[in-house]
Amino acid sequence: GQQVMQIPQYQHVQEGEDFTTYCNSSTTLSNIQWYKQRPGGHPVFLIQLVKSGEVKKQKRLTFQFGEAKKNSSLHITATQTTDVGTYFCAGLNSNDYKLSFGAGTTVTVRA
Amino acid sequence: DAGVIQSPRHEVTEMGQEVTLRCKPISGHNSLFWYRQTMMRGLELLIYFNNNVPIDDSGMPEDRFSAKMPNASFSTLKIQPSEPRDSAVYFCASNYDDQPQHFGDGTRLSIL
Repeated sequence: GQQVMQIPQYQHVQEGEDFTTYCNSSTTLSNIQWYKQRPGGHPVFLIQLVKSGEVKKQKRLTFQFGEAKKNSSLHITATQTTDVGTYFCAGLNSNDYKLSFGAGTTVTVRA
Repeated sequence: DAGVIQSPRHEVTEMGQEVTLRCKPISGHNSLFWYRQTMMRGLELLIYFNNNVPIDDSGMPEDRFSAKMPNASFSTLKIQPSEPRDSAVYFCASNYDDQPQHFGDGTRLSIL
């Protein structure tokens, strides 16, 4: 079945620094979605990428979808304490609309 | 506009008891998902419904777990009998077709 791998599992970042989390699928995806879960909260949708090679930005967050539609990345610049949480990528299978979540990258920030 | 509503928010019960989790999806959404989240296993899809019909229950751990969706505005996830290893946060989510999923606040379940 479809598997989505995400690395790193943990990311400890100094405030103000940049970091990137990566997502890889074993199969070609219809689209990829990114969610953020704050500590004690629930996953909240951030963005969806559909087209091969697509790049989208949300303020300090940059999302990319690979040319083969099998991988994606999230890059955060100038990390702030508000960026703390777990970031999940989730790949959508076009056949059954089943969303496969990666294990998530849990981000902590040192002030 | 109300989001996905789950109840109860917290549940603490003794092993062997029956546990029922409830979910009201967003009006107009045609798919509903039940997830379980633990530190060890992350976010796992247990089952999902489309137009009230179970489509994929391959994530349901064992026969002790069952889920129903009697109508478009209500779903339940039942564990009977419950065991300590069932302790987790259970999320319900809903969406329309391939649109992003909206998650409820979750039920934090502790089985003693």
